[in-house]
Amino acid sequence: SQQGEEDPQALSIQEGENATMNCSYKTSINNLQWYRQNSGRGLVHLILIRSNEREKHSGRLRVTLDTSKKSSSLLITASRAADTASYFCATANFGNEKLTFGTGTRLTIIP
Amino acid sequence: DAEITQSPRHKITETGRQVTLACHQTWNHNNMFWYRQDLGHGLRLIHYSYGVHDTNKGEVSDGYSVSRSNTEDLPLTLESAASSQTSVYFCASSESRDPDVNEQFFGPGTRLTVL
Repeated sequence: SQQGEEDPQALSIQEGENATMNCSYKTSINNLQWYRQNSGRGLVHLILIRSNEREKHSGRLRVTLDTSKKSSSLLITASRAADTASYFCATANFGNEKLTFGTGTRLTIIP
Repeated sequence: DAEITQSPRHKITETGRQVTLACHQTWNHNNMFWYRQDLGHGLRLIHYSYGVHDTNKGEVSDGYSVSRSNTEDLPLTLESAASSQTSVYFCASSESRDPDVNEQFFGPGTRLTVL
């Protein structure tokens, strides 16, 4: 069963705009991770946020985590055409080192 | 550079045949995973291994098996391929079981079609 559910399922924005996608999950977690998948390729790890963290930055990426609402958001600022990809959240649950992936948000950046 | 490779990249087979998908990593990671990716389902865990001779069932393990005879390889075998196993298969590895640092590194995927 899926732990994470991304929202929206698809998002199209103009180049230069900010893109925000959300992830909701069901059970307590150790950490939450975001991955990117370009068409026809494997997933690439972007960022990991621990359950005791509320916000984390990496370059143009900003991730927030609200454990009380069991949700996370990924913000990509100043989007570029190369950001076109699918983005997945994945959760690592307490007592379980495996990751459970959501169904993904497909992001399209319009040049 | 260390990497994780999968072969073949594309495979067409017939119902009932045995198929083996290869996964090889040079990260020297103890942990290896097999996922399948289908539209509307995201990635679902098939089998995983935390070290040599260790294998565990994941969420969708029926009809699949793995073996781990060395650190670098985790081949996935479909004992008798079914059309429902048509999918894209991804292998991944991670260095640590520590949940604070357990990010996974993925291979490029194998697209399997069962006719």
